[in-house]
Amino acid sequence: DQQVKQNSPSLSVQEGRISILNCDYTNSMFDYFLWYKKYPAEGPTFLISISSIKDKNEDGRFTVFLNKSAKHLSLHIVPSQPGDSAVYFCAARRNQGGKLIFGQGTELSVKP
Amino acid sequence: DAGVIQSPRHEVTEMGQEVTLRCKPISGHNSLFWYRQTMMRGLELLIYFNNNVPIDDSGMPEDRFSAKMPNASFSTLKIQPSEPRDSAVYFCASSLGGANVLTFGAGSRLTVL
Repeated sequence: DQQVKQNSPSLSVQEGRISILNCDYTNSMFDYFLWYKKYPAEGPTFLISISSIKDKNEDGRFTVFLNKSAKHLSLHIVPSQPGDSAVYFCAARRNQGGKLIFGQGTELSVKP
Repeated sequence: DAGVIQSPRHEVTEMGQEVTLRCKPISGHNSLFWYRQTMMRGLELLIYFNNNVPIDDSGMPEDRFSAKMPNASFSTLKIQPSEPRDSAVYFCASSLGGANVLTFGAGSRLTVL
């Protein structure tokens, strides 16, 4: 049972344009959501997070949007840069003492 | 801090052999997680520990898999006997206080022939 789903395995974007990565979840009890970025041969690294009491969180070029009614979150990267090319994972947890559940990942390619 | 340290980085073994993956979490972190990365499932949680105690091992695929955390600075994930379908990248991650921001190690790539 995949509680966190990233339905797009890959995304290709031109440098300077906006990248939008999507994530859907099924458990309405999730209270905290995160995005991780992963380069080849490295472990995932934390990028940005959002609490369920908010609908938007921004950090520089990265913005995460949360739509609780649709059980959907998205990561916007603008402007996209070639160095953003990586696999992006969304993750969700039910409570702090629980576990972090990840999606399948979306491979972003930003072309110069 | 050197971050989360995993060993070995690469392991190639034959079906039926025992495999042991090791993890040293960040000093002071009290939660430790083992994940497996596959194309189909992405990052799949196998087991996690809080204060060295296993909390949820429901993600461990079979009895062939076992994990231990004998102290706050060391954990192992063992597969015995290994099978080709166990081939994947195994990640260890640690955090302070549960499922907050996890810091991942570089992973151990396992190939079972």
